Amino acid sequence: DIQLTQSPSFLSASVGDRVTITCRASQGISSYLAWYQQKPGKAPKLLIYAASTLQSGVPSRFSGSGSGTEFTLTISSLQPEDFATYYCQQLNSYPLFTFGPGTKVDIK
Amino acid sequence: QVQLVQSGAEVKKPGASVKVSCKASGYTFTSYGISWVRQAPGQGLEWMGWISAYNGNTNYAQKLQGRVTMTTDTSTSTAYMELRSLRSDDTAVYYCARDNGDYFRAFDIWGQGTMVTVSS
Repeated sequence: DIQLTQSPSFLSASVGDRVTITCRASQGISSYLAWYQQKPGKAPKLLIYAASTLQSGVPSRFSGSGSGTEFTLTISSLQPEDFATYYCQQLNSYPLFTFGPGTKVDIK
Repeated sequence: QVQLVQSGAEVKKPGASVKVSCKASGYTFTSYGISWVRQAPGQGLEWMGWISAYNGNTNYAQKLQGRVTMTTDTSTSTAYMELRSLRSDDTAVYYCARDNGDYFRAFDIWGQGTMVTVSS
């Protein structure tokens, strides 16, 4: 099975900061990677799919890059509503999917 | 609008079964797959399995094989997830999510979640 790791597990940042989260796959997954945002008590929300395609309605400060085994999610200027936990997900081994362990973004 | 609405919270005893429903609206149900994802308290997301709403084909996470069954009722645009032989570590919020059908795929629509508590 394909395993995903995320780094860091936790990060503390201020409004306006540029934030980067990394997701690594245990084997190559081409661009079959998605990113989700989850706030406490809420369902996850799709941000990015196909590694770099912004989901409709998602602010352009979010961007994704990478292919193969290393991927990044970048928030160009952190906003108050962006404090949440972010998960990557691989969809290469459809229909068997895996989530990363998550990265919690907290207020500094 | 496109949405998935799940059934309400459940409390079950160890060894019992639970069946959670997920009703789709606002799109052609049989054109998309549905995955089930769970989240134990304070933990991350765990993919449980997938079902094609078109033909009922399924694929389950290995750790749940033999305990989980996913089905659909196309007449009511509803997906179901049944988990048997419940244990305390099955206590979690259970989500259904639509597979967007894109070439690269992603889960674009999520249900609101169903809390399942397993306790004696």
